[in-house]
Amino acid sequence: GAGVSQSPSNKVTEKGKDVELRCDPISGHTALYWYRQSLGQGLEFLIYFQGNSAPDKSGLPSDRFSAERTGGSVSTLTIQRTQQEDSAVYLCASSLEGSGRKYEQYFGPGTRLTVT
Amino acid sequence: AQKITQTQPGMFVQEKEAVTLDCTYDTSDQSYGLFWYKQPSSGEMIFLIYQGSYDEQNATEGRYSLNFQKARKSANLVISASQLGDSAMYFCAIKRGSGGSNYKLTFGKGTLLTVNP
Repeated sequence: GAGVSQSPSNKVTEKGKDVELRCDPISGHTALYWYRQSLGQGLEFLIYFQGNSAPDKSGLPSDRFSAERTGGSVSTLTIQRTQQEDSAVYLCASSLEGSGRKYEQYFGPGTRLTVT
Repeated sequence: AQKITQTQPGMFVQEKEAVTLDCTYDTSDQSYGLFWYKQPSSGEMIFLIYQGSYDEQNATEGRYSLNFQKARKSANLVISASQLGDSAMYFCAIKRGSGGSNYKLTFGKGTLLTVNP
């Protein structure tokens, strides 16, 4: 079946502009995560959606970052007034809760964001 | 807060030999899960293996095994019979809860493995 998809794959934007990154999780997956991976670094958690529960926003680095998940499926990560330090690969993942040993999070290919 | 430490920025191994990638963790939770992911140069994150904190036996998945030493808070990945395609970045990660519950992952900084022919 289809995996997690993300768009765009690459985004170059000017400092100060707003950007929107999209994630389509695996159909039926109840949980959706956004992570950020800066060059040569591990993944940094940003935000987590689980069903209809309030999202865990504890990883968002500033109030310029926000995310929403519509209809329990597609998610959009928005970065307002982008800064050069926002340049990174933004990875989305989804998972299915309570399905036996289906513990893993399935990752999308990522969006490479470059702020000039 | 949970933390993962991977002390080996880079590792080299000869093809067909075994290699161990180190991972230590810090958590105050009694229930947690440990993961290893592989990230080739293409960038995708590939799930390799999982170990729950209450699992009594070390997890194995094909050529991958997880050497889980709970008292020492270590979860080393062992790759047997290395292949050229194993060259990649490897990340250790931890989540709260060891069952099927969803939760965010906390990742280490990774180890870059290079397999030499």
